[in-house]
Amino acid sequence: GQNIDQPTEMTATEGAIVQINCTYQTSGFNGLFWYQQHAGEAPTFLSYNVLDGLEEKGRFSSFLSRSKGYSYLLLKELQMKDSASYLCAPEINTGTASKLTFGTGTRLQVTL
Amino acid sequence: DTGVSQDPRHKITKRGQNVTFRCDPISEHNRLYWYRQTLGQGPEFLTYFQNEAQLEKSRLLSDRFSAERPKGSFSTLEIQRTEQGDSAMYLCASSLARIQRTGELFFGEGSRLTVL
Repeated sequence: GQNIDQPTEMTATEGAIVQINCTYQTSGFNGLFWYQQHAGEAPTFLSYNVLDGLEEKGRFSSFLSRSKGYSYLLLKELQMKDSASYLCAPEINTGTASKLTFGTGTRLQVTL
Repeated sequence: DTGVSQDPRHKITKRGQNVTFRCDPISEHNRLYWYRQTLGQGPEFLTYFQNEAQLEKSRLLSDRFSAERPKGSFSTLEIQRTEQGDSAMYLCASSLARIQRTGELFFGEGSRLTVL
């Protein structure tokens, strides 16, 4: 089966840095996606890691350790608009099919 | 707007009725996924298509649920004899996938179902 674990809620101050962790135990692991979802809206793509290491994209960075089953999303210079849920999604390949399985999401609240 | 459209956006129905949702993916995308999301949870995989072929269906999906993607373009998700537990947001996503990869999923705005 698949097991994905990420914190339910986090709070951080505008301008600060926050790290959202995700651990996973999955079979057929290909890579890991992070999605952002504002309340009442569809998830939108943030990042994709297939190799170990850090991928940086503007204020957002994502890290992957395949051997540890661990990823994190790093958000710098937090803005109020970053208040949203952040979904960790391992990409699973079963040989005949490939899909994303999502964690429950981490709801981030950015405060003044 | 991601280019993936879903219809209807909201549906309220009585228990026992049938409902159908439609998804129009980005035109050149070969993969189409259906997910279900309830409040406070992440999207839960239901089923997906590679072109017109349905390649996987979640074990969570009872036989009251059926999905089609005729001609590999739009898709429909039908729920027969709805139950209150079916109340959720039904999300459609499409991607341009290579072998053994999903590609980046582009989600539609979802169809919210409320079963009374």
